[in-house]
Amino acid sequence: GAGVSQSPSNKVTEKGKDVELRCDPISGHTALYWYRQSLGQGLEFLIYFQGNSAPDKSGLPSDRFSAERTGGSVSTLTIQRTQQEDSAVYLCASNLWTGIYSPLHFGNGTRLTVT
Amino acid sequence: ELKVEQNPLFLSMQEGKNYTIYCNYSTTSDRLYWYRQDPGKSLESLFVLLSNGAVKQEGRLMASLDTKARLSTLHITAAVHDLSATYFCAVIMNYGGSQGNLIFGKGTKLSVKP
Repeated sequence: GAGVSQSPSNKVTEKGKDVELRCDPISGHTALYWYRQSLGQGLEFLIYFQGNSAPDKSGLPSDRFSAERTGGSVSTLTIQRTQQEDSAVYLCASNLWTGIYSPLHFGNGTRLTVT
Repeated sequence: ELKVEQNPLFLSMQEGKNYTIYCNYSTTSDRLYWYRQDPGKSLESLFVLLSNGAVKQEGRLMASLDTKARLSTLHITAAVHDLSATYFCAVIMNYGGSQGNLIFGKGTKLSVKP
């Protein structure tokens, strides 16, 4: 079956512009996660969704970052007024609801470059 | 705040040798994951460890979990070049009936040389 799909795969934008990153999780996966990975670094947690609600938004680095999920499926991560420090690979992952000990399944990421 | 620390962060090995990567975490959790990431690729799940004393093996890799010590190890036996990658451990936060987020270590970049 299809895995986690992210689009676009690469995005180059000018400083100050807004960007939207999209994630299509695996069908039936109720939990969806966004992480950020800077060059040569580990993964920084941003936000996760259980269904359409986000129990934990603590990882969003500033109020320029927001995310939503509709219909318990597709999620969009929006970065407003992008800055150069936002350049990173943004990874989305999904898995089944608690009680089922499945690992996170990651997409291939969106590489964001802010010039 | 849950912290996850891996060491070493960089590891250069010769083929055929054995080595262990360590993952320590700061608060109680009984669910730990190991992932592999190849350059330019996404993360691939290797192991899910669910209880104290859990041990899992796949090929030349073996992972174990000691929840009392808050320590997991990833042991590499007779390394081969194909194992060259970055290995991450990750610990679930807020476990106990509700799904929480996964906190990752910084990763161990493994390079296996002939």
